[in-house]
Amino acid sequence: DAMVIQNPRYQVTQFGKPVTLSCSQTLNHNVMYWYQQKSSQAPKLLFHYYDKDFNNEADTPDNFQSRRPNTSFCFLDIRSPGLGDAAMYLCATSSSGSGSEQFFGPGTRLTVL
Amino acid sequence: TQLLEQSPQFLSIQEGENLTVYCNSSSVFSSLQWYRQEPGEGPVLLVTVVTGGEVKKLKRLTFQFGDARKDSSLHITAAQPGDTGLYLCAGATNTGNQFYFGTGTSLTVIP
Repeated sequence: DAMVIQNPRYQVTQFGKPVTLSCSQTLNHNVMYWYQQKSSQAPKLLFHYYDKDFNNEADTPDNFQSRRPNTSFCFLDIRSPGLGDAAMYLCATSSSGSGSEQFFGPGTRLTVL
Repeated sequence: TQLLEQSPQFLSIQEGENLTVYCNSSSVFSSLQWYRQEPGEGPVLLVTVVTGGEVKKLKRLTFQFGDARKDSSLHITAAQPGDTGLYLCAGATNTGNQFYFGTGTSLTVIP
């Protein structure tokens, strides 16, 4: 089945230690998104890639970076995680154009010690 | 950021009752999606509405897109415990490439 895969499902890191979360998709969608979701809150868009074009949200901290080496894969790099960065990180994909739909991965739960 | 407000934020009802969740914005969206999310999982798409005034039904769930494409509602008939979860609306911008989530409605259906 076509899907969005996130690895790992659970990630533990130490304060200030860089961490990378990964996302892959078999849907061949040209748009990929990263969201941060904290407990009992709605997902917050961090950035998205339209093909290779990177689109950062204005309020996304510089501590968060992303890479998309090809259509299938997208990475979220947190350069120096703080305690406030502990959250669920959701990857999603969509095809471009009006009326398009997003499909989400299962998320990676990040814990910062 | 285009703000989508959902109401109510929390809802606890008895099995068999009906409920409506609202998603409102001052912005116009090209489409609007409704998702249901369970703890520890990613949101699962329920429906997409595109046309102003559109109504879609999914078993006991009825979704409506406002005429001006600024608001939407989700009505659940005869709620069941399996309907428990976080319900999220998300609006797509005119390019269709950016989606902004509503504030979420946490529903608990008590058996």
